[in-house]
Amino acid sequence: DAGVTQSPTHLIKTRGQQVTLRCSPKSGHDTVSWYQQALGQGPQFIFQYYEEEERQRGNFPDRFSGHQFPNYSSELNVNALLLGDSALYLCASSLAGATYEQYFGPGTRLTVT
Amino acid sequence: AQSVTQPDIHITVSEGASLELRCNYSYGATPYLFWYVQSPGQGLQLLLKYFSGDTLVQGIKGFEAEFKRSQSSFNLRKPSVHWSDAAEYFCAVGAGSNYQLIWGAGTKLIIKP
Repeated sequence: DAGVTQSPTHLIKTRGQQVTLRCSPKSGHDTVSWYQQALGQGPQFIFQYYEEEERQRGNFPDRFSGHQFPNYSSELNVNALLLGDSALYLCASSLAGATYEQYFGPGTRLTVT
Repeated sequence: AQSVTQPDIHITVSEGASLELRCNYSYGATPYLFWYVQSPGQGLQLLLKYFSGDTLVQGIKGFEAEFKRSQSSFNLRKPSVHWSDAAEYFCAVGAGSNYQLIWGAGTKLIIKP
């Protein structure tokens, strides 16, 4: 049973560029949440996708956007990258009926220079 | 607003000694409570969860946690730590119907040989 997978593992971008991160949920899960984890901090909720729609959003600017595909996989897009966007980006999957019980992928380490 | 406090930034414990990591939350009703562990450069692994019922919950890797409503606490315990337990531990709370987990800042566990 495959767990949550994320790609790429690491990414280096320049300020002002755009980036797309990808996530495949755990088999059987239909809900995907994205989190940003800055160094030395706990994760911060970005948004959650269910039935291909953004269901809930945290306190992040519109530069952060996402998408969920019919196979439940998801993308996180960040435009106009800032140095402060450097972080570990975590994807978590869950079932719609058990949304708080989330299973996490290994994350994508984004470095903005 | 909901919040989670982990008062200890790091804790050092000798191998074989007992462990208790503290977590306090702020929420008007009983939330869903979680403990996750994160090894360096890795994603988050769910250790245990509390939704309702018995206030002492058992998790993986020999961990347990106790929910105390009167103290708004959900402390994580292990009777005897192993060197492989060295990692960062996060307490998280899910509350209401906003679908997001609220996280503490984490406690880094250091094991002395």
